[in-house]
Amino acid sequence: DTAVSQTPKYLVTQMGNDKSIKCEQNLGHDTMYWYKQDSKKFLKIMFSYNNKELIINETVPNRFSPKSPDKAHLNLHINSLELGDSAVYFCASSQRGSLNNEQFFGPGTRLTVL
Amino acid sequence: AQKITQTQPGMFVQEKEAVTLDCTYDTSDQSYGLFWYKQPSSGEMIFLIYQGSYDEQNATEGRYSLNFQKARKSANLVISASQLGDSAMYFCAMRDFSGGGADGLTFGKGTHLIIQP
Repeated sequence: DTAVSQTPKYLVTQMGNDKSIKCEQNLGHDTMYWYKQDSKKFLKIMFSYNNKELIINETVPNRFSPKSPDKAHLNLHINSLELGDSAVYFCASSQRGSLNNEQFFGPGTRLTVL
Repeated sequence: AQKITQTQPGMFVQEKEAVTLDCTYDTSDQSYGLFWYKQPSSGEMIFLIYQGSYDEQNATEGRYSLNFQKARKSANLVISASQLGDSAMYFCAMRDFSGGGADGLTFGKGTHLIIQP
């Protein structure tokens, strides 16, 4: 069974469109995250959700909105896509409360904005 | 503010040799965790090893060990007896509770390791 899954794996779209990326974890973790990996492979956290509560928002444009219907899902919705949004987006999950709790990553979604 | 520095953008190593990937960090917190992840060309993020700031012994996981020098704020990854399959990007990351419970990882820029036969 896949621990953290993301759909779609690849997403190609035009500028200005709205798109969503779905993420699901079956690990029973209480916290989920979205990271962006740019073309230079730099990974940066975008959001984390704990018990449906947003904890981090690292200066991400408000065109990006995380949506969590339950603690096993954290979807990423992006409005008015721009060329600079092209990247690989990773979902991850972990259990809060301990520093040594490994974050499990999904396989990533490669977004290409044309 | 957190900062992770990986000074080796790329490394070439002969198969079966040991390799050390450098990582230094900057934090004002006393309690933090350090992680290493591997990202092969297929793109997935694979957890390798963890070191806590209060751990007195260096972490080890199979062929991976972490050379933790707290006073120097360094957490270098050592891979013994390198294999062709070790060729990948390697990321050092840190996690702390400085955000009052926020616990996302801060990553370094990575080291691209290539193992040569």
